[in-house]
Amino acid sequence: AQRVTQPEKLLSVFKGAPVELKCNYSYSGSPELFWYVQYSRQRLQLLLRHISRESIKGFTADLNKGETSFHLKKPFAQEEDSAMYYCALLRTGKLIFGQGTTLQVKP
Amino acid sequence: EPEVTQTPSHQVTQMGQEVILRCVPISNHLYFYWYRQILGQKVEFLVSFYNNEISEKSEIFDDQFSVERPDGSNFTLKIRSTKLEDSAMYFCASRGGAYTDTQYFGPGTRLTVL
Repeated sequence: AQRVTQPEKLLSVFKGAPVELKCNYSYSGSPELFWYVQYSRQRLQLLLRHISRESIKGFTADLNKGETSFHLKKPFAQEEDSAMYYCALLRTGKLIFGQGTTLQVKP
Repeated sequence: EPEVTQTPSHQVTQMGQEVILRCVPISNHLYFYWYRQILGQKVEFLVSFYNNEISEKSEIFDDQFSVERPDGSNFTLKIRSTKLEDSAMYFCASRGGAYTDTQYFGPGTRLTVL
């Protein structure tokens, strides 16, 4: 069965520290992977997708098929990055989400 | 920038009552979705809808659930006889015509079943 795993419920870092939010997936084909972010009291919004290979708000994510991972990284965290982050796999048009990781950036 | 809207933002109902959650997708989008998130759990797919019919539904989407696009703009989720375990945040999403187009989410409706 296709599954997305985000092993950390909460990741707490200080401002300026590097951030890595982990995401692993289980799918035997070529995955379409996304990171969505949900800021406090706001809707889920797309942060980035692996096919576009772009950097948004300083975040990047690289697909590693060997490790079946799509970790989200940022070299220097900002307080405004504090939010809930969801990794998602696109299958048959629907998104399969991980549990989500709360990122808390302390001043 | 166009957005998906949902009403109401919060709905409280008694067990056994029918509820209708409403969504207005982005106007030129073709694919529509409902997801739900029970408190503390992951966001789960319920149903997808295209060309006026259900494309796919999850095992959660049983006979108590139905979806409809009654006119050119609204997309509704009806729960016929609500149960306590239906309490959750319900998100509507829509996307354009291409398979890998971004799904845009609404702000959600919090359903509380008492």
